[in-house]
Amino acid sequence: KAGVTQTPRYLIKTRGQQVTLSCSPISGHRSVSWYQQTPGQGLQFLFEYFSETQRNKGNFPGRFSGRQFSNSRSEMNVSTLELGDSALYLCASRASGLGQETQYFGPGTRLLVL
Amino acid sequence: AQSVTQPDIHITVSEGASLELRCNYSYGATPYLFWYVQSPGQGLQLLLKYFSGDTLVQGIKGFEAEFKRSQSSFNLRKPSVHWSDAAEYFCAVGAEAGGTSYGKLTFGQGTILTVHP
Repeated sequence: KAGVTQTPRYLIKTRGQQVTLSCSPISGHRSVSWYQQTPGQGLQFLFEYFSETQRNKGNFPGRFSGRQFSNSRSEMNVSTLELGDSALYLCASRASGLGQETQYFGPGTRLLVL
Repeated sequence: AQSVTQPDIHITVSEGASLELRCNYSYGATPYLFWYVQSPGQGLQLLLKYFSGDTLVQGIKGFEAEFKRSQSSFNLRKPSVHWSDAAEYFCAVGAEAGGTSYGKLTFGQGTILTVHP
């Protein structure tokens, strides 16, 4: 099975712009979670989607949003970018059902905000 | 709220030496525990996981971890480290199904492992 894929892998934006990141989960996985990784704050949970519904959300401002499509692919959007949004954004997918708590991560999208 | 502490930010070992990376968690119920490894510029690769049952779990690349409920710990071990093990290691705790945090992993700050030849 192909793993989790994320596009683009690298992105450079300027302050005030918006950005959309994409994640394709492992085939058959219906849950997609997003995480932000920075040197200062480490790995922080952004949100989780399951069957096109946001089930859980981390402590991030409303500028961070996401959605999931019927094929389980997910996008996250960051509006009005700030310098502090520079980070590695990781997507993870998980199968549904009891005992399927393991999240499998993609390679990440490295976002640089100038 | 769940939390994870990795007390060691950076560990240096010689190739062939044994390794133990510490992880302490805080969680109200039986946790789901994970160890992930990250090489520079890469995503996270799952090393092993603990859900229930045998408290000593085996993972990939010769790693193992032991769940100790009384100490709220889930330390990662390897008997003989290889140069290719140099990376950053993350311990994480996940919430049980039905909980308000289900689907969310809480990570420790990571431990950077350096391996000397």
